[in-house]
Amino acid sequence: DQQVKQNSPSLSVQEGRISILNCDYTNSMFDYFLWYKKYPAEGPTFLISISSIKDKNEDGRFTVFLNKSAKHLSLHIVPSQPGDSAVYFCAASQETSGSRLTFGEGTQLTVNP
Amino acid sequence: DTGVSQNPRHKITKRGQNVTFRCDPISEHNRLYWYRQTLGQGPEFLTYFQNEAQLEKSRLLSDRFSAERPKGSFSTLEIQRTEQGDSAMYLCASGGGPRDTQYFGPGTRLTVL
Repeated sequence: DQQVKQNSPSLSVQEGRISILNCDYTNSMFDYFLWYKKYPAEGPTFLISISSIKDKNEDGRFTVFLNKSAKHLSLHIVPSQPGDSAVYFCAASQETSGSRLTFGEGTQLTVNP
Repeated sequence: DTGVSQNPRHKITKRGQNVTFRCDPISEHNRLYWYRQTLGQGPEFLTYFQNEAQLEKSRLLSDRFSAERPKGSFSTLEIQRTEQGDSAMYLCASGGGPRDTQYFGPGTRLTVL
C-alpha cells in the first residue's frame, strides 16, 4: 500500500510565481515529514522538514505546511526560479520505525523563464 | 566534508551474476541507510545500520540481498544471482541520529541484462 502519495506527477509554473507541491499520507503514526529535491543523476537533496507538533516551517523561499487532520502537507516555493526545476519527493517517518523514510512518487517541477 | 559517496556509479551485469556496491557515509554519521528507487517511484527503504549493527530490514530485501557495515564506517550491499527485476537505482544515505536529516549519495544504477 502506498502510505505517502503525491498525486501530481508534474507541475509547470512561471519564474517568479508560487509553486505549490502537495502530498497526502495515510499512516497516522507518521510524526515527521520531509521534502527532498532530486536532479537527474544525483541523489535526493534535503530541503526542509516539519514535526507533527507544528503546522508550518519556513526556510527562505521554502515553506512547508502540515494539516494533520487532513493528513496533508504542502511545499510552497516563492518566488520560483528556473534552478528549482527538479523532482520533489515528500517523505515521512515515525519514531517507532527506526527513522526509515517512506517516500511519495515524486512531482516533476518545471519553472519556465 | 566530502558527503556520501557511492561506487560504482553504474553497473551493467548479466542475469545470474553477483554484484557488490559500496557506500562511504559522512564520517561522523553513525547511521547508514540503503534505499532502492525504480523509474517513476520514490526511494524505497531496504535496510539500515547503527554503527556496525544492522537494526532493520525491509521485506523487499530478499535472501539474495545482503548488506554489511563491518567496522561501522563504509557499507557494502551485495546482490546474488541478479534478476532483471533488480534493475534500479540503489541509494545510500547517512545520518547522525534517529531524527537527523538523512543525506543521500549519488546512487549506483544497476542494469541487469
